[in-house]
Amino acid sequence: DAGVTQTPRHEVAEKGQTIILKCEPVSGHNDLFWYRQTKIQGLELLSYFRSKSLMEDGGAFKDRFKAEMLNSSFSTLKIQPTEPKDSAVYLCASSQGTEVFFGKGTRLTVV
Amino acid sequence: GDQVKQSPSALSLQEGTNSALRCNFSIATTTVQWFLQNPRGSLMNLFYLVPGTKENGRLKSTFNSKESYSTLHIRDAQLEDSGTYFCAAEWDQGGRALIFGTGTTVSVSP
Repeated sequence: DAGVTQTPRHEVAEKGQTIILKCEPVSGHNDLFWYRQTKIQGLELLSYFRSKSLMEDGGAFKDRFKAEMLNSSFSTLKIQPTEPKDSAVYLCASSQGTEVFFGKGTRLTVV
Repeated sequence: GDQVKQSPSALSLQEGTNSALRCNFSIATTTVQWFLQNPRGSLMNLFYLVPGTKENGRLKSTFNSKESYSTLHIRDAQLEDSGTYFCAAEWDQGGRALIFGTGTTVSVSP
């Protein structure tokens, strides 16, 4: 049974680049979340989709962050342009309304 | 942030001992989830709780919605229990993303 799949696992970007992170939720899950994790800020919500509709958009992240869910089995998170302060682990998670399951994350380093 | 407060922030345990982690909520929480993040960074779901208590092996968790807190008890701690434990609250009658606490880092030593 495939869990939440995130690619790539690691990404290094130069300041100003555009990067796209990918996520495949657990098959059949209607809820999809993007979180960012840093040591200082902890886990912060970036976006929340339910049945492909955007339900919540983390207020602090609207400027350069855009998450999309074009179909029920695939989501992308675009960061444009990247800045060094975006260096973090980006976590995707999915749920069928109860337990939330996380992917292994993408570690982004912006230099 | 302040909406979900976890304590303690860090905990050192000897193998075989018991301990408890706590989360206090300042938002109207409908359900609570507890996760363990292992040293490699993977987040694993431990419990999904409506008000009440659940037990799984050496772990037991309670969610008291009236008093706005949840606890996670670790019994007979083992080395593999080491990692960071997060609680997360579903709030606003559902339909909102989980809000996470800041985590409790647990180190179990022989």
